[in-house]
Amino acid sequence: AQSVTQPDIHITVSEGASLELRCNYSYGATPYLFWYVQSPGQGLQLLLKYFSGDTLVQGIKGFEAEFKRSQSSFNLRKPSVHWSDAAEYFCAVEGYSGGGADGLTFGKGTHLIIQP
Amino acid sequence: DAMVIQNPRYQVTQFGKPVTLSCSQTLNHNVMYWYQQKSSQAPKLLFHYYDKDFNNEADTPDNFQSRRPNTSFCFLDIRSPGLGDAAMYLCATSTDRYNEQFFGPGTRLTVL
Repeated sequence: AQSVTQPDIHITVSEGASLELRCNYSYGATPYLFWYVQSPGQGLQLLLKYFSGDTLVQGIKGFEAEFKRSQSSFNLRKPSVHWSDAAEYFCAVEGYSGGGADGLTFGKGTHLIIQP
Repeated sequence: DAMVIQNPRYQVTQFGKPVTLSCSQTLNHNVMYWYQQKSSQAPKLLFHYYDKDFNNEADTPDNFQSRRPNTSFCFLDIRSPGLGDAAMYLCATSTDRYNEQFFGPGTRLTVL
C-alpha cells in the first residue's frame, strides 16, 4: 500500500524568506506525486504534479518541487513566500493496485504560517 | 466557468438521521471521487466512480453509500450518521485516473 509522510506539522516562515516543505512517500513502483494547497474552509487546489520526465517540476504561484527517487522524496520549495501563501499543504501519491487506480493518498499536511 | 459544485456547503443532521450530500460538475470528467476530511487530518478517499463503475475503498464503512445517476452528478448517502462522521466531505473529479483532480469547496457535516 502507498503512504505519504510529511514530517513537519507546522512551519513558520518570515515573509520574503525561502520555503521548503518535506514529503516522503512509500510506493513500490513509479509514483504519481502531487502537491495540493488548502485555504481555511476551502477545497484543495493543485500546485504541481510529477508523473515522469524532468525531476524538477514547476507549479503555480511560484512553487516548484523536486522528485528524488533515491530518497523517496518530493519536497516543495518556493524562493520567497508571500503572506497569501499561509495555508495547509498536502503532499499526495496515486498508485495502481492492479484492480484500478487507488485514488490519492494524502500526507497529514503541513500548516504554513507566515510572519510579517 | 467549469467547476465542481457541492451542496449544501454546511449540513447539520441528527444522530442516526439519513443525510445526502450532493456534488455536480460542469467539467464532463469521467471520474468522480468522495473524500472525508476530519478536523486537522488529511483527506481520506471513501470511493470513486470511473464512469459508471463504482470502486469502494476497503475500509469505507457500510454506512456510506454513493450514487452516480449521470456524468454530472454524484451523491454521498450516509444512512445512519454517528458523531464520528462529522467531517468535511470533499468531491473531486478528473478526466482519467492519475490525472489532476479538481476539488469542490466541500460540505461540512455536523452531527448532533
